[in-house]
Amino acid sequence: KQEVTQIPAALSVPEGENLVLNCSFTDSAIYNLQWFRQDPGKGLTSLLLIQSSQREQTSGRLNASLDKSSGRSTLYIAASQPGDSATYLCAPGGDSGTYKYIFGTGTRLKVLA
Amino acid sequence: NAGVTQTPKFQVLKTGQSMTLQCAQDMNHEYMSWYRQDPGMGLRLIHYSVGAGITDQGEVPNGYNVSRSTTEDFPLRLLSAAPSQTSVYFCASSPGPGNTIYFGEGSWLTVV
Repeated sequence: KQEVTQIPAALSVPEGENLVLNCSFTDSAIYNLQWFRQDPGKGLTSLLLIQSSQREQTSGRLNASLDKSSGRSTLYIAASQPGDSATYLCAPGGDSGTYKYIFGTGTRLKVLA
Repeated sequence: NAGVTQTPKFQVLKTGQSMTLQCAQDMNHEYMSWYRQDPGMGLRLIHYSVGAGITDQGEVPNGYNVSRSTTEDFPLRLLSAAPSQTSVYFCASSPGPGNTIYFGEGSWLTVV
């Protein structure tokens, strides 16, 4: 059974810092992996989607990498801003394109102005 | 541009009552799913559907029923509410495997 761990569980940093959020998963037979952002009281918003054949994806100040064989993904946030404050969740997708994603419990990020 | 719409946003139920959480999407997505989110446990898949007339169980299906009569709608029914079903429920949709998942805003359910 896939298990997903996100470290750290919470993070508080001053504005402008570069950040690395970690995600590890136990079953490397994944189809893809998604990173999401969740604001308090809101739904999840997809940030980046990495297919299993890819090593990384970039969107603006965000860069996500995937090392499928070692069961790890990282989300890099450059030049953090107070608006980046949210909970970030990773979700590896099951093999063969199944629709089943297993979510980590997330990293709660607070960027201080 | 509605995306995924969930209703109601908040609901209080008494133990034993039944209710339906509604979910609709206007993106013509084949895949729809229901998750529940509990503190310290992340999101867990309840039921999912890969198209009209096709549904399957997820990780925590007990106590919930679903049906998919149209592409747009995927309601979640609580048959006899229990306090353990107090949670935040999210509906999601996707065009298909390997695609971005779009979430609704959530439905906060309290069972007393």
